[in-house]
Amino acid sequence: AQSVTQLDSQVPVFEEAPVELRCNYSSSVSVYLFWYVQYPNQGLQLLLKYLSGSTLVKGINGFEAEFNKSQTSFHLRKPSVHISDTAEYFCAVSDGNAGNMLTFGGGTRLMVKP
Amino acid sequence: EAGVAQSPRYKIIEKRQSVAFWCNPISGHATLYWYQQILGQGPKLLIQFQNNGVVDDSQLPKDRFSAERLKGVDSTLKIQPAKLEDSAVYLCASSSLHRGLEQYFGPGTRLTVT
Repeated sequence: AQSVTQLDSQVPVFEEAPVELRCNYSSSVSVYLFWYVQYPNQGLQLLLKYLSGSTLVKGINGFEAEFNKSQTSFHLRKPSVHISDTAEYFCAVSDGNAGNMLTFGGGTRLMVKP
Repeated sequence: EAGVAQSPRYKIIEKRQSVAFWCNPISGHATLYWYQQILGQGPKLLIQFQNNGVVDDSQLPKDRFSAERLKGVDSTLKIQPAKLEDSAVYLCASSSLHRGLEQYFGPGTRLTVT
């Protein structure tokens, strides 16, 4: 069975400051990892994904994440946040089998303050 | 391309009543997922279809929830009878084997059971 832990339920940060949202997973097999963003009253939108290859993955809106197999982590980072980045962020894991079922973490609410 | 469509966007019912949600996936996407997202939590997979067959429904409360995808395109999720704890956002997602495991999400249906 897989599980995902997002260590921070809320992250307040000032505009133009850097931010890191933490994600740790547990799985007995090789995994695929995803970060999704959810704006108020909207569905989830994919930010980035790690399937294989380079452990540093770049996504949309200036976000990037690094896969660390030894620490079973996939932390999301952005060097300078904007007010518009205020949203809920979800980390998810899939083993790529059984139809690519995703297991989500509990989410981190990023609150960007002016 | 058009995104995943869901209706209704909002629904308020009393406990013990029944309710149905509709989802139309992105054209050509063979895989369709229904998720339940309780306030403050990450989405939890309820059921996954591949074309019109069920791949996984292990987390679907089958005593009250049912879902179908008769022609392998759109899908309906039903709750009968509803309980207070069914209050949540119900998200539909679809994916294609040719798009790198990415799931595309609809805007969701927010259900309130009173």
